[in-house]
Amino acid sequence: DAGITQSPRHKVTETGTPVTLRCHQTENHRYMYWYRQDPGHGLRLIHYSYGVKDTDKGEVSDGYSVSRSKTEDFLLTLESATSSQTSVYFCAISEGGPHEKLFFGSGTQLSVL
Amino acid sequence: ELKVEQNPLFLSMQEGKNYTIYCNYSTTSDRLYWYRQDPGKSLESLFVLLSNGAVKQEGRLMASLDTKARLSTLHITAAVHDLSATYFCAVQTGDMRFGAGTRLTVKP
Repeated sequence: DAGITQSPRHKVTETGTPVTLRCHQTENHRYMYWYRQDPGHGLRLIHYSYGVKDTDKGEVSDGYSVSRSKTEDFLLTLESATSSQTSVYFCAISEGGPHEKLFFGSGTQLSVL
Repeated sequence: ELKVEQNPLFLSMQEGKNYTIYCNYSTTSDRLYWYRQDPGKSLESLFVLLSNGAVKQEGRLMASLDTKARLSTLHITAAVHDLSATYFCAVQTGDMRFGAGTRLTVKP
């Protein structure tokens, strides 16, 4: 399973509150990604990282920030959650080059009320 | 902007039948992936297609890639219930862009 752990697995929060999702990997992978999954849209890339303190925006980055201070942890923060950010969030790694074959974590179901 | 379109989005099949899922994409790419997602679960990689004419097969699933037509197909042969899942194609051009997914239900 590529040693990827996401936490929490489920979260319910209120509009306007900050939320941080954590992705932890145990196999020293360089490339890490955050995706969101919504019906009718497949998966869309939010942010990605090529290494410690090396991050960049994806297709749907507005309203999200990320940090990677250690190789094993990639954090996704919603600064002020909105109902449109209700989604399933997946962390992923790629073992080869950037944006190559992805291995996914188990996902976090986030509901913003 | 790269667009990845899958069809059909929903597919209900009888066991033992054959069917094909189509994935069209709008810009040049030489690398296409197929993933499977079981309900409530994560995604797992099925196939990586790296060049024009590439064909990969595993069990009852066969994937092919035509880069000139910008088309990949996932063919299901003699479907069984265990194949019920959502199937995504994804195209790598810089980052990876996913299709909307095809929800496959195989009925006895």
